[in-house]
Amino acid sequence: QKEVEQDPGPLSVPEGAIVSLNCTYSNSAFQYFMWYRQYSRKGPELLMYTYSSGNKEDGRFTAQVDKSSKYISLFIRDSQPSDSATYLCAMSATSGTYKYIFGTGTRLKVLA
Amino acid sequence: EAGVAQSPRYKIIEKRQSVAFWCNPISGHATLYWYQQILGQGPKLLIQFQNNGVVDDSQLPKDRFSAERLKGVDSTLKIQPAKLEDSAVYLCASSLVEGAEQYFGPGTRLTVT
Repeated sequence: QKEVEQDPGPLSVPEGAIVSLNCTYSNSAFQYFMWYRQYSRKGPELLMYTYSSGNKEDGRFTAQVDKSSKYISLFIRDSQPSDSATYLCAMSATSGTYKYIFGTGTRLKVLA
Repeated sequence: EAGVAQSPRYKIIEKRQSVAFWCNPISGHATLYWYQQILGQGPKLLIQFQNNGVVDDSQLPKDRFSAERLKGVDSTLKIQPAKLEDSAVYLCASSLVEGAEQYFGPGTRLTVT
């Protein structure tokens, strides 16, 4: 079993839809949870950085962490064609090397 | 604020040849990371530096990969000799301190033929 599981997609939605992206994990030591957006042939761009459980909102993006279920989500409201990209979740513990463990990424297509 | 710089952006080599990648992190960032991203997968950490010291190189194939960060600023990653399975994007990232947000460069796309 992988430490972090993420559905690779692709996920296709119409413009304006609410998008839900998810990751599950197995390591209960993870305390930091990140979402990155990666456009084709570009490096990952940090979208959200959260610590422990709860919600965090930034513009059209909301990150949720449910540590009891070992499940994290990223919601995108009013999705735009420019949101079409691969979304990567990443996690790390609070001790040791703080190494990021990434999911495989979910490819999102927002159709105009 | 300038981001993480990497060069070259693309490289094509034959197997058994050597190659080197360069990374300049965000100014003031003490921690530098090299990741390997194979097509369709998430990035995998190869090596982490704190200033000019190695913190984690547990997933670096040390028989062929080497990395250095001599002055605690920029870094080079070398592969010698390259194998077909080394074809991937090599990403450099940096963070202000260990455990802080990591910011990535554009990556170097390596093709080994």
